[in-house]
Amino acid sequence: AQSVTQLDSQVPVFEEAPVELRCNYSSSVSVYLFWYVQYPNQGLQLLLKYLSGSTLVKGINGFEAEFNKSQTSFHLRKPSVHISDTAEYFCAVKRGSQGNLIFGKGTKLSVKP
Amino acid sequence: NAGVTQTPKFQVLKTGQSMTLQCAQDMNHNSMYWYRQDPGMGLRLIYYSASEGTTDKGEVPNGYNVSRLNKREFSLRLESAAPSQTSVYFCASPGEVGGSPLHFGNGTRLTVT
Repeated sequence: AQSVTQLDSQVPVFEEAPVELRCNYSSSVSVYLFWYVQYPNQGLQLLLKYLSGSTLVKGINGFEAEFNKSQTSFHLRKPSVHISDTAEYFCAVKRGSQGNLIFGKGTKLSVKP
Repeated sequence: NAGVTQTPKFQVLKTGQSMTLQCAQDMNHNSMYWYRQDPGMGLRLIYYSASEGTTDKGEVPNGYNVSRLNKREFSLRLESAAPSQTSVYFCASPGEVGGSPLHFGNGTRLTVT
């Protein structure tokens, strides 16, 4: 069975600092990888996704993620965060085109002034 | 274009009461999902429906039933609510292409006392 591990449950960071949110997955087959963001009292929104091709994926709001097949990782990065990036971030993996989406437990990013 | 609409937004139940959470999507998608979100647990799949007339259990189906009324609507029913079902419930629907992201509703916050 596939699983998703988000290594940090909370990440505090100061405004304008860089941030990396870590995600590892376990799967022996090809997967699709996603990062979602959830702002307080809202549903989840897609940040970015990796389906195939270039391992560096750019998403909305200046976020990017790099797919590393050998390390089975899909870490999310932003070079300079803003207060408005404070939210919970979820990594998710889908096995092939027909599988269900499996979510990690989430990482709460807290950006302080 | 509303996407995925859930009702109600909030609900308080007493142990043993029943209720139905409603979900509708206007994107003409085949698949629809119900997730629950609990602190530190991420999103866990309760039930899903790959197409009109079909439903399947997800990771945590016990205590729930679902109905795929038509292509647009997918309801979640709690026959006898328990405090362990206190959670935030999300309905979601993916596009038809394999790597399409999930579109989420804004959630239903349910408290069972």
